[in-house]
Amino acid sequence: GNSVTQMEGPVTLSEEAFLTINCTYTATGYPSLFWYVQYPGEGLQLLLKATKADDKGSNKGFEATYRKETTSFHLEKGSVQVSDSAVYFCALTTSGTYKYIFGTGTRLKVLA
Amino acid sequence: GAVVSQHPSRVICKSGTSVKIECRSLDFQATTMFWYRQFPKQSLMLMATSNEGSKATYEQGVEKDKFLINHASLTLSTLTVTSAHPEDSSFYICSATFERGYTFGSGTRLTVV
Repeated sequence: GNSVTQMEGPVTLSEEAFLTINCTYTATGYPSLFWYVQYPGEGLQLLLKATKADDKGSNKGFEATYRKETTSFHLEKGSVQVSDSAVYFCALTTSGTYKYIFGTGTRLKVLA
Repeated sequence: GAVVSQHPSRVICKSGTSVKIECRSLDFQATTMFWYRQFPKQSLMLMATSNEGSKATYEQGVEKDKFLINHASLTLSTLTVTSAHPEDSSFYICSATFERGYTFGSGTRLTVV
């Protein structure tokens, strides 16, 4: 079946450090891939997405590239800020559905 | 726009009691809502799909008599955990589709003692 695996947290970084959160997936067909972020006390917000191989999603300095050959969608940011502290979820949907398959979430803590 | 309000954000209840969680779309009509739950260190898992005016569709392994879903209006879906037990303690979150995409509520942390 379809699944998403992402690195366990928590990830603790100093401000301005480089961030990578790994995400790999298993899916039949051609899934769309997403990163969602959840700030404390808030709902999940879409951070970025990619709908086909080699697409790069980007937003707020975060980037992720849909790599079909490695079935990965790793999240990166060149210089994190304290305000980036949140839980990040990698997810996929298969064509024609709104049924998301989520990873376990990775908590990021950025220290000043 | 496209805000979903979910209440309560946290609830503690005694074993054997029922708990109702509300998910309300504030500025759009949500014909379809989804309910997810997340156990510690596990993924968010889809529990059921709720369509306005019809019975919810439950995912395999989810007890429909235990997790009652009502979607009686285009702006409100409720999840009632009946006869709650400690193993039902989890994080529950709803989501809804709108014309330009998909939006989530802020989640409910349920603790059954």
